[in-house]
Amino acid sequence: DFQMTQSPSTLSASVGDRVTITCRASQNIRSFLAWYQQKPGRAPKLLIYKTSNLKNGVPSRFSGSGSGTEFTLAISSLQPDDFATYYCQQYNTYSPFTFGPGTKVDIK
Amino acid sequence: EVQLLESGGGLMQPGGSLRLSCAASGFTFRSYAMNWVRQAPGKGLEWVSSISASGDNTYYADSVKGRFAISRDNSKNTLYLQLNTLRVEDTAIYYCAKGPSDHLRDYFDDWGQGTLVTVSS
Repeated sequence: DFQMTQSPSTLSASVGDRVTITCRASQNIRSFLAWYQQKPGRAPKLLIYKTSNLKNGVPSRFSGSGSGTEFTLAISSLQPDDFATYYCQQYNTYSPFTFGPGTKVDIK
Repeated sequence: EVQLLESGGGLMQPGGSLRLSCAASGFTFRSYAMNWVRQAPGKGLEWVSSISASGDNTYYADSVKGRFAISRDNSKNTLYLQLNTLRVEDTAIYYCAKGPSDHLRDYFDDWGQGTLVTVSS
């Protein structure tokens, strides 16, 4: 069965820190990976699609990279609004569309 | 501005049925694939189902196949999810999510605020 993993599961950081989150797929998903941000009690929001493309309006401190089975979301300088849970999602195949388990970024 | 407004959630008994709706506005609804994603309390995101722009093609997660049915009414700009034979493990917030194109195999670029379905005896 298709699996997506994320590391770390929780990340404690301070405002201004550079943070990176890794997402791994159990099969080659080429570049068909998206990243979402979710705050408590709110719906997820798309940040990045096709590995490295920022959705309109997403701050440039967010970036994505990778291909195949390993991908990274980076935040260059963490801001107070960035404390949230981040999910990766593959859409190379819809058997099924698989989300990673999430990475919670909290205040150190 | 894209708006997706889900409704229809509630408290149901195991084995019951429910229909969720998602009213869409701010875009040409008939031109985009649409999806349902759910989130159990305190858990991560789980894709549930997708439907093509025309409604001719549908896909389901194994966990709901044969019990849930996705549909759309392009004349009413509304997406639906019929939930049958509900189980306790179907308890979740159900989000309606828009695709970026008419392609089914794609990411989800806009999301509704969700509607809570609770299945309990």
